[in-house]
Amino acid sequence: DADVTQTPRNRITKTGKRIMLECSQTKGHDRMYWYRQDPGLGLRLIYYSFDVKDINKGEISDGYSVSRQAQAKFSLSLESAIPNQTALYFCATSDFGLAGDNTGELFFGEGSRLTVL
Amino acid sequence: AQSVTQPDIHITVSEGASLELRCNYSYGATPYLFWYVQSPGQGLQLLLKYFSGDTLVQGIKGFEAEFKRSQSSFNLRKPSVHWSDAAEYFCAVGAPLLGGYNKLIFGAGTRLAVHP
Repeated sequence: DADVTQTPRNRITKTGKRIMLECSQTKGHDRMYWYRQDPGLGLRLIYYSFDVKDINKGEISDGYSVSRQAQAKFSLSLESAIPNQTALYFCATSDFGLAGDNTGELFFGEGSRLTVL
Repeated sequence: AQSVTQPDIHITVSEGASLELRCNYSYGATPYLFWYVQSPGQGLQLLLKYFSGDTLVQGIKGFEAEFKRSQSSFNLRKPSVHWSDAAEYFCAVGAPLLGGYNKLIFGAGTRLAVHP
């Protein structure tokens, strides 16, 4: 089984619908992230969380919200989906090093492809 | 602000040829640098990373990268490309936040095609 699991892997929805993308991890990492990938733009950070009580906005948080239900679970919601939110979404985790020397390496899920019509 | 530039959107090479993918970064301190690969329909996999020390870094699948501070570059190389290397490659820089936490900033990616 994958260390970082995203569901659903593919979703087609209509404008105005609420969508939730879920992420769970078995790596035991405290930090979790949601990225969005668009062709020619690379990956852009939507939200990140350093622990269950810590949620932070990334570069492109408008139109999105997140919930950190537990250390292992981090979900991304689109309250009212619009077509320009059509993209590939990635969840990722990272560790906090033993000596506090976090190197920032990310471990990715396989992605959730969302199409908003 | 931190940024990463990958000047080449698409690169095509013949199988067995050498490969160099370019990456330039903008960052005010010693960076943490990464190369990730994304195969079709897959998530991103770490190829290699640089934190400090030897500026030539070896990674998985026969890849290496060289950190050149004077040029703000971290180019990825492979001496002989295999058809299975066809994928999209992302360079990323680690950006420390308050409290010592990091987040990664990614380049736009370079899509590699390999001709038989």
